[in-house]
Amino acid sequence: GAGVSQSPSNKVTEKGKDVELRCDPISGHTALYWYRQRLGQGLEFLIYFQGNSAPDKSGLPSDRFSAERTGESVSTLTIQRTQQEDSAVYLCASSHTSGRAGTQYFGPGTRLTVL
Amino acid sequence: QQQVKQSPQSLIVQKGGISIINCAYENTAFDYFPWYQQFPGKGPALLIAIRPDVSEKKEGRFTISFNKSAKQFSLHIMDSQPGDSATYFCAASMRSSGTYKYIFGTGTRLKVLA
Repeated sequence: GAGVSQSPSNKVTEKGKDVELRCDPISGHTALYWYRQRLGQGLEFLIYFQGNSAPDKSGLPSDRFSAERTGESVSTLTIQRTQQEDSAVYLCASSHTSGRAGTQYFGPGTRLTVL
Repeated sequence: QQQVKQSPQSLIVQKGGISIINCAYENTAFDYFPWYQQFPGKGPALLIAIRPDVSEKKEGRFTISFNKSAKQFSLHIMDSQPGDSATYFCAASMRSSGTYKYIFGTGTRLKVLA
């Protein structure tokens, strides 16, 4: 079946611009996660959504970052007034919490470059 | 308490050798320990995972060893192949408010020489 998809695959933007990244999770997966991966670094948790519950935003680095998810479908991660330090790969993952320990399935990521 | 420490940062192994990557955690609430494999330009993919009620899990050439008392776990890749060259992440997960929170290690870049 279809996996997690993300768009765009690459995004180059100028400092100060807003960007919107999209994630399409696997159908039926109730949990959705966003991570940031800086070059050569590990995965940094940003936010997760679980069904219709309030999202856990504890990983968002600043108020320039926000995310939305409609029900159990598409999610968008928005970064306002981008800064050069926002340059990274943004990964989305989804999981079915009734499955094997909520195994996460990752998308290919969006590579964001802020000039 | 939420950190997962991973070592080494990079590893070079000869073809046919054994690759060993280690991770350590602090929070005893973690109850699921997956390993992910990531190739350049791709998202991480689940490789193998273990729960703390067993000390070892083997799938093909990949084995997780788990030491609950020491709060450590490791990935062993037997008969390492050039195709195994990738970045490996350990993670620790706990159930929280109906879902699973994951803390990832910083990754190990493995290169297997032909």
